[in-house]
Amino acid sequence: AQSVTQLGSHVSVSEGALVLLRCNYSSSVPPYLFWYVQYPNQGLQLLLKYTTGATLVKGINGFEAEFKKSETSFHLTKPSAHMSDAAEYFCAVEWGSSNTGKLIFGQGTTLQVKP
Amino acid sequence: DAMVIQNPRYQVTQFGKPVTLSCSQTLNHNVMYWYQQKSSQAPKLLFHYYDKDFNNEADTPDNFQSRRPNTSFCFLDIRSPGLGDAAMYLCATSQIRQGWGQETQYFGPGTRLLVL
Repeated sequence: AQSVTQLGSHVSVSEGALVLLRCNYSSSVPPYLFWYVQYPNQGLQLLLKYTTGATLVKGINGFEAEFKKSETSFHLTKPSAHMSDAAEYFCAVEWGSSNTGKLIFGQGTTLQVKP
Repeated sequence: DAMVIQNPRYQVTQFGKPVTLSCSQTLNHNVMYWYQQKSSQAPKLLFHYYDKDFNNEADTPDNFQSRRPNTSFCFLDIRSPGLGDAAMYLCATSQIRQGWGQETQYFGPGTRLLVL
């Protein structure tokens, strides 16, 4: 079965430190990959996505992610954390061959940013 | 400026009393989705409409129904809410073009349902 795994349900960093949120997927077929952010009591907002082409994807708010097919990973990074980055982050995949638009979400990672 | 609108943001209902949540979009997307998100969990897809075609997830309880009277609106009906149905309900839209895969899903702010 297709699945998405986010390593670490909680990540805590200091303000200004590197943010690294991990995401791995299981598939032999290259998927479409997404990172969403969710602030308390709000919907999900797209940070970035990978479909085809360049494997390093830049998103909003200084985030970027790199698709590594050999590692089946799509980790999210930001060089310097800001207090406003504290939120829940979801990795999601869609298998392009399905063409249904159905997203499979990881369990989410809560990012805490300490002053 | 709002693209996916959900009303109300908070809904309180009684155990067993039918409730309807609404979603509207200004993006003219052909697909609308309903997700259920319980506390500290990932969103779980309940069903989606591809134009007028309804697509139910296999594990969505019969208690949950949906209607899409036109492109812009989609409703989630819970016929007899139980305590376990208390959750955030998220509506999302996307534009799917055959052979092109999915464009981004745009999410509404969600409706938090409380069942008393």
